[in-house]
Amino acid sequence: TQLLEQSPQFLSIQEGENLTVYCNSSSVFSSLQWYRQEPGEGPVLLVTVVTGGEVKKLKRLTFQFGDARKDSSLHITAAQPGDTGLYLCAGVSRGGATNKLIFGTGTLLAVQP
Amino acid sequence: NAGVTQTPKFRVLKTGQSMTLLCAQDMNHEYMYWYRQDPGMGLRLIHYSVGEGTTAKGEVPDGYNVSRLKKQNFLLGLESAAPSQTSVYFCASRLDGNYGYTFGSGTRLTVV
Repeated sequence: TQLLEQSPQFLSIQEGENLTVYCNSSSVFSSLQWYRQEPGEGPVLLVTVVTGGEVKKLKRLTFQFGDARKDSSLHITAAQPGDTGLYLCAGVSRGGATNKLIFGTGTLLAVQP
Repeated sequence: NAGVTQTPKFRVLKTGQSMTLLCAQDMNHEYMYWYRQDPGMGLRLIHYSVGEGTTAKGEVPDGYNVSRLKKQNFLLGLESAAPSQTSVYFCASRLDGNYGYTFGSGTRLTVV
C-alpha cells in the first residue's frame, strides 16, 4: 500500500507569513495533484505536476514535484485568511492503476487576520 | 452550474437501516468514485467505476454496494447501517486518468 504522508498536520499562522507544506512517500508517483478543501465542501483541484523537478506557480502558491517523483511541496507566500482550509496531496503511483488516486493525510491550515 | 451533485446532504440513520446515496454528474465523465472522509484518516476510496455498467472495489468496500446503470449517476448503498459508517461521504468524477477529480459537496451521515 502506497502512503502519502503530509506534514505538518496542523498549521496556524498570522496573515502575511510564509509557509510550506510537504507531501512525502517511499513510492514513485507518475503524477501528483494538490487540492484545497474548505469546511462543508468537497476538495477542489489546485494543480497537477507531472515531471520530476517541475515547479508550478498559482498566484502566491508555488508547487514543486521532487526530482525522484516521491515527494512534493506547496509553498504559500504572504498567507491570507482566504487560504485557510485543508490541503491534500494525491498521486497516481507508477505501476499502479491509473484510474484512482491515493490521497495524503492532509494539512489543516488556519490563517489568522 | 456543471459539476457533481450529491443527495442528500445530511442524514441520520438507525443501526440496521438501509439507504442509498445518489451522485449525479453532468460533465460526461467516464470515471466516478465514492470516498469517505474521517478525522485523521483522510479520504479513503470505497468503490469506483471506470464507465457505465462497471464497478470495482476500493480500499474500504465492506458494508457498501454501488451501481452505475447510467453514465451520469453513481449510487452508493448501505444495506444495514452500522455506527462505524458514520462519516462524510464524497462522490467525485473525472474525464479520464489524466485529469483531476471534481468532487461533490458531500453527504454527512450519522448512524445511531
